[in-house]
Amino acid sequence: AQSVTQPDIHITVSEGASLELRCNYSYGATPYLFWYVQSPGQGLQLLLKYFSGDTLVQGIKGFEAEFKRSQSSFNLRKPSVHWSDAAEYFCAVGALSNTGKLIFGQGTTLQVKP
Amino acid sequence: VTQSSRYLVKRTGEKVFLECVQDMDHENMFWYRQDPGMGLKLIYYSVGAGITDKGEVPNGYNVSRSTTEDFPLRLELAAPSQTSVYFCASSSDRNTEAFFGQGTRLTVV
Repeated sequence: AQSVTQPDIHITVSEGASLELRCNYSYGATPYLFWYVQSPGQGLQLLLKYFSGDTLVQGIKGFEAEFKRSQSSFNLRKPSVHWSDAAEYFCAVGALSNTGKLIFGQGTTLQVKP
Repeated sequence: VTQSSRYLVKRTGEKVFLECVQDMDHENMFWYRQDPGMGLKLIYYSVGAGITDKGEVPNGYNVSRSTTEDFPLRLELAAPSQTSVYFCASSSDRNTEAFFGQGTRLTVV
């Protein structure tokens, strides 16, 4: 069955420090992978997506993610975190059927210390 | 994607109607529920007007898709277990992102 695992429920980093949020997926073919961010009380905003090609993808707000097929991972990174990055982050995979359905991980809450 | 209600409080057994409208002419529309620590779970989805299908957690919910723009979610008999945040989303096809509404926080007392 398709699934997405975000091993870290909660992460705290200092402002200016680097960030890596982990995402592992289980999928039967080449996956379509997404990272979304949810600020408190808001909807979900797409940070970046991977469909094919270059395995290092750039997104908005200075985020990037690397697709590693051998590790079934799609980790999100940012070199220097800003206080405004505090939010909940969701990794998602496009479902096998051609319908646009997404399967989400449990989410990682990022707290940024001043 | 517009969800008209941000917050709703309903009593057990009441009917609940959650609106969702999109103006991007997207074929696909989705309803998800979000519970703490559980991520988002798909309730129902639609790949076009007149076509709907169950997602992962459809029990207790109904949907309809009479037009491309509208995809309302109905709870016929609201239950406390349906207290959650509900998100509507739409996408043009599998290869593009899903656009999400602001969400509706439903509390069933």
